[in-house]
Amino acid sequence: IAGITQAPTSQILAAGRRMTLRCTQDMRHNAMYWYRQDLGLGLRLIHYSNTAGTTGKGEVPDGYSVSRANTDDFPLTLASAVPSQTSVYFCASSPGQSLNEQFFGPGTRLTVL
Amino acid sequence: AQSVSQHNHHVILSEAASLELGCNYSYGGTVNLFWYVQYPGQHLQLLLKYFSGDPLVKGIKGFEAEFIKSKFSFNLRKPSVQWSDTAEYFCAVYPYGGGADGLTFGKGTHLIIQP
Repeated sequence: IAGITQAPTSQILAAGRRMTLRCTQDMRHNAMYWYRQDLGLGLRLIHYSNTAGTTGKGEVPDGYSVSRANTDDFPLTLASAVPSQTSVYFCASSPGQSLNEQFFGPGTRLTVL
Repeated sequence: AQSVSQHNHHVILSEAASLELGCNYSYGGTVNLFWYVQYPGQHLQLLLKYFSGDPLVKGIKGFEAEFIKSKFSFNLRKPSVQWSDTAEYFCAVYPYGGGADGLTFGKGTHLIIQP
């Protein structure tokens, strides 16, 4: 059982380019999340999805979009990357809102130049 | 909006020392509380969690935490640390009815255990 997979593992991207970070879970969890981790700031929620077909904004959603076409996949898109989006991105999932222990993927290290 | 404060950003201890990492949150309603650990180069792993019941919860690797509702605190403890405990530790809160779903994390405590 893989749990949560993220791709790519790392990426260097030119500013202005479009980028999609992929996240797939095989636990049939209803809820999925995207966080970014920055030194000294901890993890901050970007977007979330409580169930397939629905999404919501977290603490730092600007410059990012998500979609949840099915239970397993929750891609995060940067439409036009900027250097301030340089970060480590973690995808997470949980069985549901009331069972909100979250399981984290291995992360994607993104550098925007 | 709710917030989580971790008082110690960097902690350096010797092996076998006792550990206590502070965590306070700012939400007055019902909460679920978590401690996650991130070993160097790895993703976050759950150490322990509090949902309800006994406020003293025990987690993996000898860690425990105590929920004190009157102090809005959820401090992490371990009686005797090991070199392998070197990691980043994050306290997190899920506030029921508190807004956007997802966890609110503290900024983390970088723990270094010296042999």
